[in-house]
Amino acid sequence: KQEVTQIPAALSVPEGENLVLNCSFTDSAIYNLQWFRQDPGKGLTSLLLIQSSQREQTSGRLNASLDKSSGRSTLYIAASQPGDSATYLCAVKAQGGSEKLVFGKGTKLTVNP
Amino acid sequence: NAGVTQTPKFQVLKTGQSMTLQCAQDMNHEYMSWYRQDPGMGLRLIHYSVGAGITDQGEVPNGYNVSRSTTEDFPLRLLSAAPSQTSVYFCASSYSLAGGPYEQYFGPGTRLTVT
Repeated sequence: KQEVTQIPAALSVPEGENLVLNCSFTDSAIYNLQWFRQDPGKGLTSLLLIQSSQREQTSGRLNASLDKSSGRSTLYIAASQPGDSATYLCAVKAQGGSEKLVFGKGTKLTVNP
Repeated sequence: NAGVTQTPKFQVLKTGQSMTLQCAQDMNHEYMSWYRQDPGMGLRLIHYSVGAGITDQGEVPNGYNVSRSTTEDFPLRLLSAAPSQTSVYFCASSYSLAGGPYEQYFGPGTRLTVT
């Protein structure tokens, strides 16, 4: 059974700092990995999607990497801003046709001005 | 495109009542799903559908029913609400083409409280 773990559960940083959020998964037979952002009381916003054949994806100040063999992904946020404060979730989709996502429990990020 | 929409945004039910959470998408996505999000538990899959007329159970299906009569709509029915069903419910959709990215899009959620 696929399990997804995100460490740390919470992170507080000063504005301007570069930071890394971690995601690990137990079964490397994934089709893709998706990073989401969730603001308090809101839905999930897709940030980046990495296919299993890719090593990284970039969008603005965000860079997500994938090491499928070791079961790890990182989300790098450059020059953090207070507006980046949110919970970040990673989710994996398995190979083999199932479109179910397995989610980690998220990292709650606070960027202090 | 409105994307994925959910109604209502908030709902309070008494134990034993039934209700339907609505989900609709206008992106012509074949795959739709329902998750619940609980503190400390993350998001868990309730039911999903790979196309009109096809549904299947996820990780936590008990107490919920679904149907998929059209591509656009995927309602979730609570048959007899219980306090354990107090949660935030999210609907999601994605393309289901072979070799596709399968990026999933989520609705804004429905906050349900069962007293």
